[in-house]
Amino acid sequence: ETGVTQTPRHLVMGMTNKKSLKCEQHLGHNAMYWYKQSAKKPLELMFVYSLEERVENNSVPSRFSPECPNSSHLFLHLHTLQPEDSALYLCASSQVFKGDLAYQFFGPGTRLTVL
Amino acid sequence: GEDVEQSLFLSVREGDSSVINCTYTDSSSTYLYWYKQEPGAGLQLLTYIFSNMDMKQDQRLTVLLNKKDKHLSLRIADTQTGDSAIYFCAEAGTASKLTFGTGTRLQVTL
Repeated sequence: ETGVTQTPRHLVMGMTNKKSLKCEQHLGHNAMYWYKQSAKKPLELMFVYSLEERVENNSVPSRFSPECPNSSHLFLHLHTLQPEDSALYLCASSQVFKGDLAYQFFGPGTRLTVL
Repeated sequence: GEDVEQSLFLSVREGDSSVINCTYTDSSSTYLYWYKQEPGAGLQLLTYIFSNMDMKQDQRLTVLLNKKDKHLSLRIADTQTGDSAIYFCAEAGTASKLTFGTGTRLQVTL
């Protein structure tokens, strides 16, 4: 595997389900990100794990919970989602040097549909 | 907060040049990027420019930066049908995060 991989590629879930999205980067990077991409809206940065510190967007609802067990793996745990959470969820990684942001490599995304 | 704006749609004929424009508000931006997203795929980095540069050329791609006006453009020479995609402008400021525009959908017609 090379680059940034995401599983599953598609997910359909009910509002009462619990599911997790997985991201793995094979680039040796030290920062990983979750983005939400909804139609006709800018990409929304949800969470960042950079140099082992977590940075969050305070507007992200608590029904989204990230987990970063090591620098190569990132999860997004989903619980009691709403239909408006249906979107493409993109994972990205980058190599951060002394706080400067290098360009981010993106995975293919997970297309989530909440019924 | 930071804001990045792009027009939503651009249509060009195959073989013509495409110019996609972007404006941003964060004067402290250190890097500016262009990403391409094809249907059903994630974002692919096309090119980037440091804020102390005016222009960068990479094969068919030319990036122009007007820092005074906070205007960034991407020119694609000899546009092909395979260039049809959504193009995102993004800026990275001192906060060490990317702010993306809404994306410009490029349609290439025969």
